[in-house]
Amino acid sequence: QSALTQPASVSGSPGQSITISCSGTSSDVGGYNYVSWYQQHPGKAPKLMIYDVSNRPSGVSNRFSGSKSGNTASLTISGLQAEDEADYYCSSYASSTVVFGGGTKLTVL
Amino acid sequence: QVQLVQSGAEVKKPGASVKVSCKASGYTLAYYAMHWVRQAPGQRLEWMGWINAGNGNTKYSHRFQGRVTITSDTSASTAYMELSSLRSEDTAIYYCARDLGDWGFDYWGQGTLVTVSS
Repeated sequence: QSALTQPASVSGSPGQSITISCSGTSSDVGGYNYVSWYQQHPGKAPKLMIYDVSNRPSGVSNRFSGSKSGNTASLTISGLQAEDEADYYCSSYASSTVVFGGGTKLTVL
Repeated sequence: QVQLVQSGAEVKKPGASVKVSCKASGYTLAYYAMHWVRQAPGQRLEWMGWINAGNGNTKYSHRFQGRVTITSDTSASTAYMELSSLRSEDTAIYYCARDLGDWGFDYWGQGTLVTVSS
């Protein structure tokens, strides 16, 4: 199972919006609505931000939203804040297994 | 509150095995699947496998098939991940993570650093 494809880095200024893409195939992202997104700060465990493509767990800011079109999922962060600077990973269900993306480093300028 | 507490850091020699534990509290282990994910230094998250803690069924990533064994002891509320035939490339932080039910991982352990070095 190949890793899902994410941009290595994205950046934005405080208050702006950014979108991180996550490309897969019809065997993973495109085949199921089980895409999740995680935020990971340095030295910390990942934190679930989005599940089932677009659902937010309790406690996650509504500045974070998810969507999917075909084989590509996207995470959008609006109203960027300094604390959003972190690594972001997508993951997808794929026939009783899970595949992660390569990760995207978000820099808040 | 839900917590996953993992065992401490390990240093192993190439060819050895390591067994990491993950003690769950605040919920019933048998009611949720548990996954194991690793992260080599500076690298991406990598899924290793999962266990249905209720019936013991497992599924492993092809990358680790034959080297990894995931088990659970519901009476101890603990899941385990054992990796054998260790090599230097297995040096990583190993995480357990609870599946909320839709293949999203809502709670994570603090991570266990496994260092493989001669």
